[in-house]
Amino acid sequence: SQKIEQNSEALNIQEGKTATLTCNYTNYSPAYLQWYRQDPGRGPVFLLLIRENEKEKRKERLKVTFDTTLKQSLFHITASQPADSATYLCALTDNAGNNRKLIWGLGTSLAVNP
Amino acid sequence: NAGVTQTPKFQVLKTGQSMTLQCAQDMNHEYMSWYRQDPGMGLRLIHYSVGAGITDQGEVPNGYNVSRSTTEDFPLRLLSAAPSQTSVYFCASSSSTTGRYGYTFGSGTRLTVV
Repeated sequence: SQKIEQNSEALNIQEGKTATLTCNYTNYSPAYLQWYRQDPGRGPVFLLLIRENEKEKRKERLKVTFDTTLKQSLFHITASQPADSATYLCALTDNAGNNRKLIWGLGTSLAVNP
Repeated sequence: NAGVTQTPKFQVLKTGQSMTLQCAQDMNHEYMSWYRQDPGMGLRLIHYSVGAGITDQGEVPNGYNVSRSTTEDFPLRLLSAAPSQTSVYFCASSSSTTGRYGYTFGSGTRLTVV
């Protein structure tokens, strides 16, 4: 069956370190993989999108990698700050580009300690 | 630029009541959608629209109706509320019908059905 998995355990790191979050998927052929940030009581906020033919995408302190062989995306936050504390969601669109097939992970909670 | 606006932010309904959750966007996005978010279930697509006059079902459409008479508005109607519809509802829009630019979410409506 199709599945998308993120680390269910919260990630706690020290300020200034690099946070790395994982998104694994099975039985999909994703066209795009997206990362969002969600704060308590708020809607998800779009961060980065990476296409199936891209290996890496960067935006300021954020970096996303995409390995279609391993069926995995890694999301990195460098020089992390307490303000980066939130839940991070990954979502993928299958190769048909059908919005009905946008599949979401459950998210990983990140806490950056000062 | 308001983005995606949802109203109300909170609502309590009695079983059997009906109500409409409002969603409006001012970005001229063709694609709009409704999600519900439940603990342990993640974001699940209820209904979506790729343009005015066009709607389609998502993963969990039962008990909900939508219409899209204008590009800006995409209301979600609960026909006869049930406790199983207690959830947080998010409206999301995108300039692309294939999701290749990410999605803009509203701040959500927290609905409790008693």
